[in-house]
Amino acid sequence: TQLLEQSPQFLSIQEGENLTVYCNSSSVFSSLQWYRQEPGEGPVLLVTVVTGGEVKKLKRLTFQFGDARKDSSLHITAAQPGDTGLYLCAGASRGAQKLVFGQGTRLTINP
Amino acid sequence: EPEVTQTPSHQVTQMGQEVILRCVPISNHLYFYWYRQILGQKVEFLVSFYNNEISEKSEIFDDQFSVERPDGSNFTLKIRSTKLEDSAMYFCASSRQGRGNQPQHFGDGTRLSIL
Repeated sequence: TQLLEQSPQFLSIQEGENLTVYCNSSSVFSSLQWYRQEPGEGPVLLVTVVTGGEVKKLKRLTFQFGDARKDSSLHITAAQPGDTGLYLCAGASRGAQKLVFGQGTRLTINP
Repeated sequence: EPEVTQTPSHQVTQMGQEVILRCVPISNHLYFYWYRQILGQKVEFLVSFYNNEISEKSEIFDDQFSVERPDGSNFTLKIRSTKLEDSAMYFCASSRQGRGNQPQHFGDGTRLSIL
C-alpha cells in the first residue's frame, strides 16, 4: 500500500515568515501533484512535478520533487494571510490513474 | 476557465436508500474519477472511468457502488443501499489523459449525509 505522509499537519506562523511543508513516502511515484483546498470546496491544483530533482516556482511558492521521486516539499517565502488553507500532496504511480493523497497540512498565516 | 461541476452540493438520505451523485466533467477531458473524503480523513480514490468502462477501482468500490456516463456530459456515482459509513464528501475529477502526470481537476464535491 502506498502512503504519503505530510508534515507538519498543522502550522501557524506570522505574516512575512518562511515555511516548508514536506510530503514523504517509502514508495516511488511517477509524479506528485500539490493541491490547495478551501473549506467547502474541492482541491485546486497548484503544480505537478514529474522529474526527480525538479523545482517549480509559482510566485512565492517553490515546489521540489526529490531525486528518488519518493518525496516532495513546498516552500513559501514571506507568507501572507492569503496563503492560509489546507495543502495536499498527491502521488501517481507509473501505469496507474489513481492519486494517493497525503493527509494535508493546515496552514494559518496570522497578520 | 472550464471546471468540473457537481450536484447536489449536499444530499441527505436515509440508510438503505439509493443515492445518485452527479458530475459534469470538463468537456474535452476523457478520464473521469470519483474520490471520497470522510470527515477528518484523507482523500481516497474510488474509481476511474475511461471509454465507458471502469479502468481502475479501489477496495472501497464494492458491489454497492456503480458508475455510469448516461449521456455525453454527465458522469454519475450510484450507491445502491447506503450505509452510515458512506457519509462523506464525494469529489468528482477529470483529466485529459490517464497518465499519472496529467493533472486531475476536481469539482467542489457533494456532501453525503446518511441518517
